[in-house]
Amino acid sequence: TQLLEQSPQFLSIQEGENLTVYCNSSSVFSSLQWYRQEPGEGPVLLVTVVTGGEVKKLKRLTFQFGDARKDSSLHITAAQPGDTGLYLCAGQDSNYQLIWGAGTKLIIKP
Amino acid sequence: DVKVTQSSRYLVKRTGEKVFLECVQDMDHENMFWYRQDPGLGLRLIYFSYDVKMKEKGDIPEGYSVSREKKERFSLILESASTNQTSMYLCASTGNFAETQYFGPGTRLLVL
Repeated sequence: TQLLEQSPQFLSIQEGENLTVYCNSSSVFSSLQWYRQEPGEGPVLLVTVVTGGEVKKLKRLTFQFGDARKDSSLHITAAQPGDTGLYLCAGQDSNYQLIWGAGTKLIIKP
Repeated sequence: DVKVTQSSRYLVKRTGEKVFLECVQDMDHENMFWYRQDPGLGLRLIYFSYDVKMKEKGDIPEGYSVSREKKERFSLILESASTNQTSMYLCASTGNFAETQYFGPGTRLLVL
């Protein structure tokens, strides 16, 4: 069974701080997607990383795919209250199935 | 703008009732999915469909069935609801398995 472990499960920090969320697996993925989910809504795609070592930036969010395509990280610089939400990673396996992490619940306090 | 809608945002049912959750997408996507989301467990795939009248079991199909009579519509059926099926149910669709999944807003189901 493929597993995608996300850490931390929960993070509460002050506005302006930096943070990193991790997504780790022993399996290789063809791509990895990061989603954000706000309360009462479905997840919305933030980014897809495909190439080992790839780094993508979305304003204050930096996403990295590990060289071996088994892990990924999301780094947020100078977090804002609007970044509050549940962050989910999902790895795509060789059968195009998505393997989901359990999510990181992020709260940014003003 | 892409849109996936779900028939109800909140639903309260009693144990043993038959429950229908409906999902409609307007993107002409071939593939549609039903997930349940529980705290600390992430999204777990119940069933998916890659074409009209075609369905495949996901990781946790027990206690659920699905129906895809039209391309835009994918229904999840709980034949006899049980309290352990209390959860958030999310529908998603995608045109290509390698692409983004677009999600509906979810249905929060409470089974008493």
